[in-house]
Amino acid sequence: DAKTTQPPSMDCAEGRAANLPCNHSTISGNEYVYWYRQIHSQGPQYIIHGLKNNETNEMASLIITEDRKSSTLILPHATLRDTAVYYCIVRNSNSGYALNFGKGTSLLVTP
Amino acid sequence: DTGVSQNPRHKITKRGQNVTFRCDPISEHNRLYWYRQTLGQGPEFLTYFQNEAQLEKSRLLSDRFSAERPKGSFSTLEIQRTEQGDSAMYLCASSLSATGDIQYFGAGTRLSVL
Repeated sequence: DAKTTQPPSMDCAEGRAANLPCNHSTISGNEYVYWYRQIHSQGPQYIIHGLKNNETNEMASLIITEDRKSSTLILPHATLRDTAVYYCIVRNSNSGYALNFGKGTSLLVTP
Repeated sequence: DTGVSQNPRHKITKRGQNVTFRCDPISEHNRLYWYRQTLGQGPEFLTYFQNEAQLEKSRLLSDRFSAERPKGSFSTLEIQRTEQGDSAMYLCASSLSATGDIQYFGAGTRLSVL
């Protein structure tokens, strides 16, 4: 699976959009971009995933660049409950392989 | 859908003792994963089952570790002769291969080896 690079930490004011970047310059054509988050003392939680088109669900939006070498997770109106570590993971969707979490981005949402 | 359930939530043991953790996946999920997470790090893959077959094991899974999923439903992870370095959060996840293999995680079992 391709390697990802994320900033170690970010801050965001409550109510504002949180934009979390991820670089995955070695991504291959059949690899998807997944985002998970982990709130303190809980297991990781799936957020969203995509191949090449932008995706949106009730939690977030995923913007993937045309060359697929980077992506951005957008939380449109961050709340204090969004404070968590966010992991960007690249993998083949149906290979049955593990998720390679890396260290992620620690997002702090402030009042 | 009651989610992935892990028991116990916390386990304290003395070095050299054996411990066993249980994971109950989401009903009808055919894939089950075990991960380990130490403080400040992301989860690391240990092993993976498709139904009852153990298809992949990480090099992190030493000979003291064994995992089973006897009927393709719940799974157990046993650590024999525990060491202080085994202290970690042990996470279980399950997925359904037919729906994009999105993994859903339990809350984990926190192991402390004294």
